[in-house]
Amino acid sequence: DAKTTQPPSMDCAEGRAANLPCNHSTISGNEYVYWYRQIHSQGPQYIIHGLKNNETNEMASLIITEDRKSSTLILPHATLRDTAVYYCIVGSYGGSQGNLIFGKGTKLSVKP
Amino acid sequence: GAVVSQHPSRVICKSGTSVKIECRSLDFQATTMFWYRQFPKKSLMLMATSNEGSKATYEQGVEKDKFLINHASLTLSTLTVTSAHPEDSSFYICSARDFREKLFFGSGTQLSVL
Repeated sequence: DAKTTQPPSMDCAEGRAANLPCNHSTISGNEYVYWYRQIHSQGPQYIIHGLKNNETNEMASLIITEDRKSSTLILPHATLRDTAVYYCIVGSYGGSQGNLIFGKGTKLSVKP
Repeated sequence: GAVVSQHPSRVICKSGTSVKIECRSLDFQATTMFWYRQFPKKSLMLMATSNEGSKATYEQGVEKDKFLINHASLTLSTLTVTSAHPEDSSFYICSARDFREKLFFGSGTQLSVL
């Protein structure tokens, strides 16, 4: 079973920031938080991941709470092409544990 | 970034035939690849873990004789759906892990069995 809880859907206005929450209260000390997204009929696309510090890259920012029990993915200026299902996943590096268990994700709809 | 190529993107076959799906890591070596299937409006379900040079590890409920996985090189894993039936129709996706332990996904294969 997935170890994360996400809202099933969210709307966001084009040009505004999209903040996608994720709860992972049972995360263990060596597990990372990963974010992927999947546009219809395509394979998942890596967005960002982190352990305990906040992370930022060209796509998004990841804010992880101090107790690591939840996180927020931030798309600073959402565009229509950001409409997708966003998956928050916890997992650990290394060995056969490198596979990631996908939950149901959040369907983000960016509206003009 | 790393690229994983999956082929074909779409295949239609008759019931009882076998279908092979290829997954290639184009610019990195992948000792481990993963195969998923996804039904409409559902999340990805891990089918098996493919390790180069050894037998694949299948998830519970996945028939290893029906879904044959071969990982003969560090850049290629194949999934063969044997004696396909309409209930095998699904979206199949592979992923590969690079040396930095990041997972990259193929673009998926839509299998339709008539």
